[in-house]
Amino acid sequence: DAKTTQPPSMDCAEGRAANLPCNHSTISGNEYVYWYRQIHSQGPQYIIHGLKNNETNEMASLIITEDRKSSTLILPHATLRDTAVYYCIVRRREYGNKLVFGAGTILRVKS
Amino acid sequence: NAGVTQTPKFQVLKTGQSMTLQCAQDMNHNSMYWYRQDPGMGLRLIYYSASEGTTDKGEVPNGYNVSRLNKREFSLRLESAAPSQTSVYFCASMSFRGPFWVLHFGNGTRLTVT
Repeated sequence: DAKTTQPPSMDCAEGRAANLPCNHSTISGNEYVYWYRQIHSQGPQYIIHGLKNNETNEMASLIITEDRKSSTLILPHATLRDTAVYYCIVRRREYGNKLVFGAGTILRVKS
Repeated sequence: NAGVTQTPKFQVLKTGQSMTLQCAQDMNHNSMYWYRQDPGMGLRLIYYSASEGTTDKGEVPNGYNVSRLNKREFSLRLESAAPSQTSVYFCASMSFRGPFWVLHFGNGTRLTVT
């Protein structure tokens, strides 16, 4: 089953791009990669998802490598309000199509 | 449109007491979930319900029971609370957008067991 590996924490200067990496080397060909974030103990919030191609929405961009073994979430101009825990998630088959969260990456945006 | 509503927001229990955490969603979603989050850790799946009338265990089901009362409501029960169950509990429902899913979370119930 696909699992993900993320660095435990990262720092980023305000206004700069934040690049959050995720390894998912056992992902299968038809599984999506999802990114969520959790701000200060609130419920997690969906950010973006992708399968093969790079994706962009109003919140972020997602770059997926050609072999699909890793991806990078990009916040192009990080603000202090982007300080949060970011989760990279791939479906776990033993739980059907449910989404199982790992420990995530704590992103600290500093002024 | 309230989304996912959890009650209560805070609760303190003594060891051995029981309680039920309530969750309701108004988005007509079939699937609902209960997660717990311990300090400094990620979310762990307790139970989920793929549709009304069905429930299944997640990663950490021991010590909990669930009821999918109807399509809107999914409750989590602690029959005999233990200090190890001190945590923040999140309920979520899932929407389908084509071939992928999005989880919609409530704001959590903060439970302390003394």
